[in-house]
Amino acid sequence: KAGVTQTPRYLIKTRGQQVTLSCSPISGHRSVSWYQQTPGQGLQFLFEYFSETQRNKGNFPGRFSGRQFSNSRSEMNVSTLELGDSALYLCASSLERGTNGYTFGSGTRLTVV
Amino acid sequence: AQSVAQPEDQVNVAEGNPLTVKCTYSVSGNPYLFWYVQYPNRGLQFLLKYITGDNLVKGSYGFEAEFNKSQTSFHLKKPSALVSDSALYFCAVRSNQGGKLIFGQGTELSVKP
Repeated sequence: KAGVTQTPRYLIKTRGQQVTLSCSPISGHRSVSWYQQTPGQGLQFLFEYFSETQRNKGNFPGRFSGRQFSNSRSEMNVSTLELGDSALYLCASSLERGTNGYTFGSGTRLTVV
Repeated sequence: AQSVAQPEDQVNVAEGNPLTVKCTYSVSGNPYLFWYVQYPNRGLQFLLKYITGDNLVKGSYGFEAEFNKSQTSFHLKKPSALVSDSALYFCAVRSNQGGKLIFGQGTELSVKP
């Protein structure tokens, strides 16, 4: 079956712009979570969605937001981009909020210039 | 507080020798533990998980991990390392607060011929 699909793979944006990243989970998975990976901070949790509801939120500013649609696809949005937002953004899908494991997508590499 | 520690930033092993990548965790209750591997510019690839049951877990590509509750450890092992095993390895535990993963800082494994 198809894995977790993240689009786009690469993105270059200018400071102050906004960006939307997309994640399509494995068919049948209802939980989607997002992570930011940077060399300095490692892997940090952004938020988790389950059945279209945000269940968990990490310690990120309000510029970071997300949503989940009825087909379980999820988007995350970052407004007013800063240089420090440059990172690999990873999406993970799971059947039931991780009790059986998580499958990650290949990520979106965001570069803010 | 919930946390994961990977005490070694880098592990160097000769091809054909056994390898161990260490991980300790701190979470209340029964842990859900995971190992992931990351190749350059790629997402996280699942290796194995411990949910319940046998303390020795076998995973992909010949990797295994031993869950030790008294030492709160979940070390990753492989009897005979390959050059192609060279990558970044992450240990993670599922948070008690739902479907959030808490990651260690990662261990760079280098296998030399």
